[in-house]
Amino acid sequence: KQEVTQIPAALSVPEGENLVLNCSFTDSAIYNLQWFRQDPGKGLTSLLLIQSSQREQTSGRLNASLDKSSGRSTLYIAASQPGDSATYLCARGYGNKLVFGAGTILRVKS
Amino acid sequence: AAGVIQSPRHLIKEKRETATLKCYPIPRHDTVYWYQQGPGQDPQFLISFYEKMQSDKGSIPDRFSAQQFSDYHSELNMSSLELGDSALYFCASREDSSNEQFFGPGTRLTVL
Repeated sequence: KQEVTQIPAALSVPEGENLVLNCSFTDSAIYNLQWFRQDPGKGLTSLLLIQSSQREQTSGRLNASLDKSSGRSTLYIAASQPGDSATYLCARGYGNKLVFGAGTILRVKS
Repeated sequence: AAGVIQSPRHLIKEKRETATLKCYPIPRHDTVYWYQQGPGQDPQFLISFYEKMQSDKGSIPDRFSAQQFSDYHSELNMSSLELGDSALYFCASREDSSNEQFFGPGTRLTVL
């Protein structure tokens, strides 16, 4: 069974702090990994896609890395802002589908 | 930029009724995916289509069926609705040259 685990399940930080969200997966097969943001009751916004041949991707204050050997990906958010408050989901590409982790609920306090 | 369009955005049905959800992918995207997200859960893959042919199947109940049409839009048909079918249903699309999936805003289905 393909499993994706995200740690921590929830995180509350003061504004301005740098933070790291973790994602691990059990299958060592070489597929891509995608990070999403979801606001309550809303759709999924794609943040970053790391192809299987890549090690990291950056977009603005976000940086995602992929370590296939250890089965881990991290999402680094720099200088967090209250607007970053949302649920962050990582998803592992397995063939023609995405398998999601349970997400990390992030709250950035002003 | 154009995004994935889903309709309706909200749908309320009674048990044992039928529902049809529609998805219009981003232009030039030829692959469509359907996912179901129950309350407090992560999205679960249901089914996907590439060039109007079913390409993969996940945990989709036999009461559900889907297809992709010649204009690449897709419809998810749900029959004999049960209370447990209440969820957010997402459609995502992808172009052949990329692995990145783009999600629509979802259809919130409530079964009473």
